[in-house]
Amino acid sequence: ETGVTQSPTHLIKTRGQQVTLRCSSQSGHNTVSWYQQALGQGPQFIFQYYREEENGRGNFPPRFSGLQFPNYSSELNVNALELDDSALYLCASSPWDSYGYTFGSGTRLTVV
Amino acid sequence: RKEVEQDPGPFNVPEGATVAFNCTYSNSASQSFFWYRQDCRKEPKLLMSVYSSGNEDGRFTAQLNRASQYISLLIRDSKLSDSATYLCVVTSYYGGSQGNLIFGKGTKLSVKP
Repeated sequence: ETGVTQSPTHLIKTRGQQVTLRCSSQSGHNTVSWYQQALGQGPQFIFQYYREEENGRGNFPPRFSGLQFPNYSSELNVNALELDDSALYLCASSPWDSYGYTFGSGTRLTVV
Repeated sequence: RKEVEQDPGPFNVPEGATVAFNCTYSNSASQSFFWYRQDCRKEPKLLMSVYSSGNEDGRFTAQLNRASQYISLLIRDSKLSDSATYLCVVTSYYGGSQGNLIFGKGTKLSVKP
């Protein structure tokens, strides 16, 4: 069974630009969650998708948005990038109603 | 007050030592509790779930005190390979749907020869 795959692994963007990060969920997992981990901090919940709809959201502004596709893969979009958006972005998939999360290895975003 | 608080460390211990990490959480409605391990520049990985009765997995023992909203992790006979950041995690629910994980900042452990 394949795990969670994220792309790209590293990315450098300029302040004000937009970025799209991608995540393929583990086989059999229909729920995808996104987390932001700044340096020296624990991961913070951004949002979760289930059945192609946002199912919950953390304390992040609307310029953070997402999608989930019929094959359960997901995208995280961030508009108007700010320097503080520099972080490791983690995708985690799980079956619905389970805390059996599997994390991807993350996308390291640097905003300059 | 942060939802999950941990001592960030670092804890520097010799091989073979016993080390304990503590964590407190603020939301009494939290229902599930975990310890995750995160190696440098890698993703978090589940180390173990934490149950009220306490649970053990080899050299690792986790305990939960719901009344005090306190979680602990004990590592016995530390190995060099235990060096990592240990993240205390609780769950949060919203609107009856599946909850999300709330992470502490993590406690860094360095085991020295």
